[in-house]
Amino acid sequence: SQQGEEDPQALSIQEGENATMNCSYKTSINNLQWYRQNSGRGLVHLILIRSNEREKHSGRLRVTLDTSKKSSSLLITASRAADTASYFCATGYQGAQKLVFGQGTRLTINP
Amino acid sequence: DVKVTQSSRYLVKRTGEKVFLECVQDMDHENMFWYRQDPGLGLRLIYFSYDVKMKEKGDIPEGYSVSREKKERFSLILESASTNQTSMYLCASSSYRTRAYEQYFGPGTRLTVT
Repeated sequence: SQQGEEDPQALSIQEGENATMNCSYKTSINNLQWYRQNSGRGLVHLILIRSNEREKHSGRLRVTLDTSKKSSSLLITASRAADTASYFCATGYQGAQKLVFGQGTRLTINP
Repeated sequence: DVKVTQSSRYLVKRTGEKVFLECVQDMDHENMFWYRQDPGLGLRLIYFSYDVKMKEKGDIPEGYSVSREKKERFSLILESASTNQTSMYLCASSSYRTRAYEQYFGPGTRLTVT
């Protein structure tokens, strides 16, 4: 399976702290995307990083990509209670219209 | 904003019933997807459609079929529902115009088969 692996499976931190989630994948990619899923809802696209990029920022989100290690990390700074959700990485491949999703990291922000 | 809607948020059906889950998107996307999501298993692709009347099997197509008669609508059909099809079903769409094929998801349908 090409499915990526996410680490950790669950993460619980205090409000205001930073949260870091990791994603590893197996084969060369065209891009890597991160999605958020609030409990019982659909996924929402957060940020995309292409294979020729090493780092991207969007608000409190910072994504890094290390293609030599086939891994990515998502950093959420100054976490808020509203960041409580599951976070999924998804890998895109050249010419492919499908994405391969990881199993997700469940993030809990404690007030 | 892209909007993907699913016909039901919650659905309860009996074993053996034929079940239709419908998905509609309003952004003229070429691609549409059906996933199921189960605890510990992540998202698994059931079927994928890249054009009207075109479909491709995903990772777990057994027990399911799909229909795409119009570009904006993609239906998932459970021919004879079984209890192991109790799950959250998610529909998504994407377009080649974005080049990276970011997917836009509906709110999900939680199906219970008793």
